[in-house]
Amino acid sequence: EPEVTQTPSHQVTQMGQEVILRCVPISNHLYFYWYRQILGQKVEFLVSFYNNEISEKSEIFDDQFSVERPDGSNFTLKIRSTKLEDSAMYFCASSQSHSNQPQHFGDGTRLSIL
Amino acid sequence: AQKVTQAQTEISVVEKEDVTLDCVYETRDTTYYLFWYKQPPSGELVFLIRRNSFDEQNEISGRYSWNFQKSTSSFNFTITASQVVDSAVYFCALSEGRTGANNLFFGTGTRLTVIP
Repeated sequence: EPEVTQTPSHQVTQMGQEVILRCVPISNHLYFYWYRQILGQKVEFLVSFYNNEISEKSEIFDDQFSVERPDGSNFTLKIRSTKLEDSAMYFCASSQSHSNQPQHFGDGTRLSIL
Repeated sequence: AQKVTQAQTEISVVEKEDVTLDCVYETRDTTYYLFWYKQPPSGELVFLIRRNSFDEQNEISGRYSWNFQKSTSSFNFTITASQVVDSAVYFCALSEGRTGANNLFFGTGTRLTVIP
């Protein structure tokens, strides 16, 4: 069964450094998403992406964050200057279409900011 | 504004007991979608079910069943004859029926522990 893959599984970064989290969505999916989950808390929406542009973003997704689909397969989340509070599990998801199809999640990247 | 409430933070049951996880939602949209996801200790999010607002039929899949009641804005999840492998955090989520990519609003989750 096709799945969403995320790399790396764990990223440790010094505060203030840039970090790029990578995702390969399911190949025939058109909608892509990033979510984050701070340890022990609920999963929070960050951004959705369709047709090479951001569809929607939450208030968490400020100017420090950006997303890109650099080629036909990868979908990346960049955090420009990381802060301690960016430490979380980041999940990528994709769906075939929008709300009437389930979003399938990757296994997540655990980001630890030191 | 949309909201998903999972009032049960943690539940413990003994293996083979039935358990129901509650989910109450709020939305102003007439078209919306409800989901349940499972997050086992390994951390991934596993899709379990999607239900749209026009389909109030209950669904059963093996030991899992879901009870959707629009009158009470609830979408409860029952596990019958629980097993240790059911131990996980379960999230209920809502997606509103606007056009375009629709993000999921998650509840705070219910941690289920099944004791052998």
